[in-house]
Amino acid sequence: SAVISQKPSRDICQRGTSLTIQCQVDSQVTMMFWYRQQPGQSLTLIATANQGSEATYESGFVIDKFPISRPNLTFSTLTVSNMSPEDSSIYLCSVARNYGYTFGSGTRLTVV
Amino acid sequence: AQKITQTQPGMFVQEKEAVTLDCTYDTSDQSYGLFWYKQPSSGEMIFLIYQGSYDEQNATEGRYSLNFQKARKSANLVISASQLGDSAMYFCAMREVRTSGSRLTFGEGTQLTVNP
Repeated sequence: SAVISQKPSRDICQRGTSLTIQCQVDSQVTMMFWYRQQPGQSLTLIATANQGSEATYESGFVIDKFPISRPNLTFSTLTVSNMSPEDSSIYLCSVARNYGYTFGSGTRLTVV
Repeated sequence: AQKITQTQPGMFVQEKEAVTLDCTYDTSDQSYGLFWYKQPSSGEMIFLIYQGSYDEQNATEGRYSLNFQKARKSANLVISASQLGDSAMYFCAMREVRTSGSRLTFGEGTQLTVNP
């Protein structure tokens, strides 16, 4: 399965600032997925990122708040913009491979 | 829309015993895939086992097996010979195929605690 390097692993940020999370995959993949996991809850898909096209956002998530870049087939970034304490969550990237899905190690974000 | 239901917020098991974590799903698709993931307190998502809707045999991976009952739309995870390291959150998920591609939908999770 694919190996994903996700950075940073954790961060504490001031409200009103932005944080960019990076995911690097060890091989080329068509789609990358970004998830949010709020404290004590399940994973919710934020958006799907295809290389060369705009990301597809799920209901409740907008590009202005969570801009995504996908410059090539092995890399993607998610930015959490104008953060508030409600954005405190674990953010995970994921890729699909054959029948499975591999996840990055997650970014644990705390907004103070 | 697809839906995954995990009715057990928390489960407790004694070390070395077997435990079953429940998962039911709802879909109108004929072809789908079901997954189980383990999430330790570190937050990473660890793939455990996969079952395709057309697979006739129940999936097994070491101490993990999936009790797939298609007519009842259930895909329960069975962990045999529980170990202390099995204490974690467990998520059931379904692959949903859409025009924009496939994606995973997750259940709410079950927190498993293995007691010594």
